[in-house]
Amino acid sequence: SQQGEEDPQALSIQEGENATMNCSYKTSINNLQWYRQNSGRGLVHLILIRSNEREKHSGRLRVTLDTSKKSSSLLITASRAADTASYFCATGYSSASKIIFGSGTRLSIRP
Amino acid sequence: GAVVSQHPSWVICKSGTSVKIECRSLDFQATTMFWYRQFPKQSLMLMATSNEGSKATYEQGVEKDKFLINHASLTLSTLTVTSAHPEDSSFYICSAKGLAGNEQFFGPGTRLTVL
Repeated sequence: SQQGEEDPQALSIQEGENATMNCSYKTSINNLQWYRQNSGRGLVHLILIRSNEREKHSGRLRVTLDTSKKSSSLLITASRAADTASYFCATGYSSASKIIFGSGTRLSIRP
Repeated sequence: GAVVSQHPSWVICKSGTSVKIECRSLDFQATTMFWYRQFPKQSLMLMATSNEGSKATYEQGVEKDKFLINHASLTLSTLTVTSAHPEDSSFYICSAKGLAGNEQFFGPGTRLTVL
């Protein structure tokens, strides 16, 4: 079953603009991860944020986590054409090593 | 480091046949491997979790007799789709996790088409 819902389902922006994707989940988590998937390909791990962290940066990526609202956001700054992909959040739990994926956001960057 | 491979990358088979997909961790020992299925334009759905040397734990709604998982070594897990039907056509992705850390390393996926 899917733990997370992401919005928007699809996002189209101009190259250079910032892209923000949101993820909401239902139960308490140990960590939350963001992945990118190019069409028909495998997943690329972007960033992991632990439940006791509120914000994390990696290059042009900024992730926030609000455990009180059970939500996370992924911000991609200064978007590039190569950022066109689907982005998934995935929630991890302390009691099990499995992660559950959200519904995903399809991001398109217009040149 | 932390590379996971899958074989084959794509397979086409006739309805009723069985297909085996391999997932290997190339440069680390994977104590736990996970199998996911992804239909077009949808998210990854976890099918099962397998720990080396023990039986796989299947998610609700996944038929264990149809999707046979074997994790015989610390670097290899296999998923066998038995008596495949067209509705089993999907993208199957494995991931592997080592002893340390929470990160899963994903394979490139196997696209199965059942005619």
